[in-house]
Amino acid sequence: TQLLEQSPQFLSIQEGENLTVYCNSSSVFSSLQWYRQEPGEGPVLLVTVVTGGEVKKLKRLTFQFGDARKDSSLHITAAQTGDTGLYLCAGDTGKLIFGQGTTLQVKP
Amino acid sequence: GAGVSQSPSNKVTEKGKDVELRCDPISGHTALYWYRQSLGQGLEFLIYFQGNSAPDKSGLPSDRFSAERTGGSVSTLTIQRTQQEDSAVYLCASSSSGYRQFFGPGTRLTVL
Repeated sequence: TQLLEQSPQFLSIQEGENLTVYCNSSSVFSSLQWYRQEPGEGPVLLVTVVTGGEVKKLKRLTFQFGDARKDSSLHITAAQTGDTGLYLCAGDTGKLIFGQGTTLQVKP
Repeated sequence: GAGVSQSPSNKVTEKGKDVELRCDPISGHTALYWYRQSLGQGLEFLIYFQGNSAPDKSGLPSDRFSAERTGGSVSTLTIQRTQQEDSAVYLCASSSSGYRQFFGPGTRLTVL
């Protein structure tokens, strides 16, 4: 069974702090996606990383794909209250395998 | 254009009843997915339709679950003889090609 483990599962921080969310697996993925989901809505794609070692930036969010394409991280710089939500990673094996998610709460 | 829509948004049913959940994908998207999400958790793959190919049903948890996609568009997920453990948010997504899936808002199912 292919598993994606995310950590931490829950994170509560103050506005302005930095944070990193990790997504790890023993499996190799052809690509890995990060989603953000708000209550009552479906997940929305933030980024797709494809190449081992790839780094992508989306404003204050930095995504990295591990060299072996088994793990990824999401780093948020100077978190804002609007970053609050559930962050999901998903590995592509022909279909998406999702991690269990990281619930981020950014307090003003 | 419209995104993926799902109905109903909320469904409360009694244990043992059958339920049908509907998904309207984005027009022209050939791929359609169903997922199940427990509270604050990740998504569990249920079933995948791609064009006219036979669906990938490998994620369906039991034979009480089934899904159809009529005319390559609208899909219905049916759960027969619902159990309390079926309570979850059921998400539908569609895709035209490549990696990106567009998700609907989900149907929250509560089985009493």
